[in-house]
Amino acid sequence: AQTVTQSQPEMSVQEAETVTLSCTYDTSESDYYLFWYKQPPSRQMILVIRQEAYKQQNATENRFSVNFQKAAKSFSLKISDSQLGDAAMYFCAYAGTASKLTFGTGTRLQVTL
Amino acid sequence: DGGITQSPKYLFRKEGQNVTLSCEQNLNHDAMYWYRQDPGQGLRLIYYSQIVNDFQKGDIAEGYSVSREKKESFPLTVTSAQKNPTAFYLCASSVLARFTEQFFGPGTRLTVL
Repeated sequence: AQTVTQSQPEMSVQEAETVTLSCTYDTSESDYYLFWYKQPPSRQMILVIRQEAYKQQNATENRFSVNFQKAAKSFSLKISDSQLGDAAMYFCAYAGTASKLTFGTGTRLQVTL
Repeated sequence: DGGITQSPKYLFRKEGQNVTLSCEQNLNHDAMYWYRQDPGQGLRLIYYSQIVNDFQKGDIAEGYSVSREKKESFPLTVTSAQKNPTAFYLCASSVLARFTEQFFGPGTRLTVL
């Protein structure tokens, strides 16, 4: 079974600074996707970014980018120029051949002035 | 607007009562999912369905039941057999394909009194 680990329960970043959230996963599959979801105080889950395992190039979406290290099974999220609206829970998720997602336990990101 | 709706937003139940949470989507997605979210535990899969009239147990199906009579609807019943039902419940849907991201509803907060 696949597992996803987020070892940072809480992180803090100053506005306009950069922060990196960590995620590691364990799988024996070679084809899979990885996702970062954001859950703001409204509790609505929002997809931030996704990465296809077969792609070597790291995905980017505006201020959000990932560092995907397939051999190390690591998938970190970098948020640049942090904004107050980035404050939320962030979940790393794995999607393999089974049609379901496996989530990590989340990292709460606080953004300070 | 296409999306997923969940109702009610807040639900209170007395011990020993069954209660049904509603989930409807108009995204024409084949697959639907129910997750439970507890503090510090991320999202855990309860049940999922890939086609009408068929569904599979997730990781924590005990004390829950579902039905999938229509493509658009996937209600979840929390039965009296569920020992600790107080939680936040999220419904999601996706196209029926490997590796695809899921789209989430706004959630229902269930509290047992």
